Amino acid sequence: GESVGLHLPTLSVQEGDNSIINCAYSNSASDYFIWYKQESGKGPQFIIDIRSNMDKRQGQRVTVLLNKTVKHLSLQIAATQPGDSAVYFCAENIGYGNKLVFGAGTILRVKS
Amino acid sequence: EPEVTQTPSHQVTQMGQEVILRCVPISNHLYFYWYRQILGQKVEFLVSFYNNEISEKSEIFDDQFSVERPDGSNFTLKIRSTKLEDSAMYFCASSGLAEMSEQFFGPGTRLTVL
Repeated sequence: GESVGLHLPTLSVQEGDNSIINCAYSNSASDYFIWYKQESGKGPQFIIDIRSNMDKRQGQRVTVLLNKTVKHLSLQIAATQPGDSAVYFCAENIGYGNKLVFGAGTILRVKS
Repeated sequence: EPEVTQTPSHQVTQMGQEVILRCVPISNHLYFYWYRQILGQKVEFLVSFYNNEISEKSEIFDDQFSVERPDGSNFTLKIRSTKLEDSAMYFCASSGLAEMSEQFFGPGTRLTVL
C-alpha cells in the first residue's frame, strides 16, 4: 500500500542550530514531494518541493534532499528560529488527480 | 498575495444533519481539493476536482460526501448525514495549471459533530 511516514515525532533544537526532519516514503512511483509547515490552528503552508529527477533543492534557509534509492526525504532548516516552531509534514504526489499523501508529522520545538 | 479562503471557521452540527463547507480557491487555479485532519493526526486526502468533475477520491469520500463548484468562484463540500467520526478540520486547497504544482491550503473549517 501507499504510505509516507516520519521517523521522529518531536524534535527540539536550540535557536540558531540547524534542524533536520526526516521522512520515509513507500511508493517508488511517486514523482513529486513537498514539505509543509503547519502552525497551530492554521492550514498547511508550503515550504519547498522537489521532483523525482532531482536529489537536492535549496530555498531560503531550507534544503530538501531526496534519496530515491532508500526512499527517504529530509528537510534541513538552517539557523532555526523560534518562528520555525510548528508541525512539519512531508507529502508525496501520487497519481492522476494530484493526490497528496501526507506523513504523520514532526513537531519542531525551538528553544530560545 | 492571493489565498484560499474557507467558511465557516467552525461548524457545530448534530449527528445526522447535513453540512456544507465552503471554499473560495485562488482565482486562476484549476485544480481543487478537500483534505481533512482529525485532531492530532495527519492530513488525509478526500477528493480532487478538475474541469467540473472529480479526478480522484479516497475511501473516506463515500456516498455521504459530494463536491460542487456552483459558480466561478466557490467550491463546496457537502456531508449529507454527519457522523461523530466526521468531526475534524477540513481543508480546501487549490493549485494552478500544471500537475505537480504547489497546492495552496486554506485555513480550514473545524467541524464538530455532536
